[in-house]
Amino acid sequence: DAKTTQPNSMESNEEEPVHLPCNHSTISGTDYIHWYRQLPSQGPEYVIHGLTSNVNNRMASLAIAEDRKSSTLILHRATLRDAAVYYCILRDGQFYFGTGTSLTVIP
Amino acid sequence: NAGVMQNPRHLVRRRGQEARLRCSPMKGHSHVYWYRQLPEEGLKFMVYLQKENIIDESGMPKERFSAEFPKEGPSILRIQQVVRGDSAAYFCASSPWGLRYEQYFGPGTRLTVT
Repeated sequence: DAKTTQPNSMESNEEEPVHLPCNHSTISGTDYIHWYRQLPSQGPEYVIHGLTSNVNNRMASLAIAEDRKSSTLILHRATLRDAAVYYCILRDGQFYFGTGTSLTVIP
Repeated sequence: NAGVMQNPRHLVRRRGQEARLRCSPMKGHSHVYWYRQLPEEGLKFMVYLQKENIIDESGMPKERFSAEFPKEGPSILRIQQVVRGDSAAYFCASSPWGLRYEQYFGPGTRLTVT
């Protein structure tokens, strides 16, 4: 299973954009990049996924480096409800969750 | 469309008892996955099932743990003779097509072994 590296924690002010980085230097050509988030005491929630091109949906944007060795999840305007642990996962098979990035949103 | 449902939400068992955790996937989903999350850790994959078949159980402990997804009814994760180390949150997820697609998670069952 390919590994990902994320910062343990990040902070953001409310209403400001947040860029959550993920390194995955051993990614293979068939690995999809998935992002999930987990709010306290809840199950993980799907955020976004992509393969090569940047992706946008109503929750976030995913920017994928040209060499695919890194990606960035972008929350355009952080709200208090975005405070969660964000997991970057490479997928060509089972999901392997690391410890993720704990995002704190400051009012 | 109801989401993934798990019950019970909280389960307390004494050492040596059996725990049965249930998961009803989203309507139309025939693929189910079970994960375990120990306190302060990430989720660990346990088993992947399709209706009546175990596809991948590489994350399941070899003893005391079993899973099924019958033709009718919910998926069941069964833990026999529970020990304190089994205390964790157990999450179920479902997807419509299988491994390559996003998964939708339930709220989890928090098992406490006393």
